[in-house]
Amino acid sequence: AQTVTQSQPEMSVQEAETVTLSCTYDTSESDYYLFWYKQPPSRQMILVIRQEAYKQQNATENRFSVNFQKAAKSFSLKISDSQLGDAAMYFCAYGRYSGGGADGLTFGKGTHLIIQP
Amino acid sequence: DVKVTQSSRYLVKRTGEKVFLECVQDMDHENMFWYRQDPGLGLRLIYFSYDVKMKEKGDIPEGYSVSREKKERFSLILESASTNQTSMYLCASSLGYGAGTDTQYFGPGTRLTVL
Repeated sequence: AQTVTQSQPEMSVQEAETVTLSCTYDTSESDYYLFWYKQPPSRQMILVIRQEAYKQQNATENRFSVNFQKAAKSFSLKISDSQLGDAAMYFCAYGRYSGGGADGLTFGKGTHLIIQP
Repeated sequence: DVKVTQSSRYLVKRTGEKVFLECVQDMDHENMFWYRQDPGLGLRLIYFSYDVKMKEKGDIPEGYSVSREKKERFSLILESASTNQTSMYLCASSLGYGAGTDTQYFGPGTRLTVL
């Protein structure tokens, strides 16, 4: 079974600075997907970024980028120029590669990100 | 935009009651999922469905059942609610076409309290 570990229960960063959230996972499979989801307080979970394991290039979405180290099974999220709206719970998730995507995701326990004005 | 809706944001039930949590998606997605979210535990998969009338157990199916009679609707059923089922329940859906694991889109969640 796959496991996902987020070792930082809480992180704090000053507005406009850069912060990196850590995620490691354990799997015996070679093809899979990794995700970062954001859950703002009392609001819906939304996708931040997604990475296919077969791609060597790290995914980037505006101020959000990942550092994907497949051999180390590490998948960290970097948020540049932090904004107050980035304050949320961030979840790292693993998705097994399967035709049609009909498998649930395995989530980490989450990192609570605080943005200091 | 994909929209996943859940019938209630907050629900309070008594121990032993039968509880239905409803989820509807409007994007013709094949796959639907139920998770529960508890502080310090993240999200855990209860059940999922890849087609109408098809269902698969997730990591924590005990005490729950599901129903998918129509493609857009996926119900989670607590046959006899217990206090340890007090939690936030999240529904999600994914497209299901093509290879690979599709992005899952989440509903707003139902916070269930069992007294």
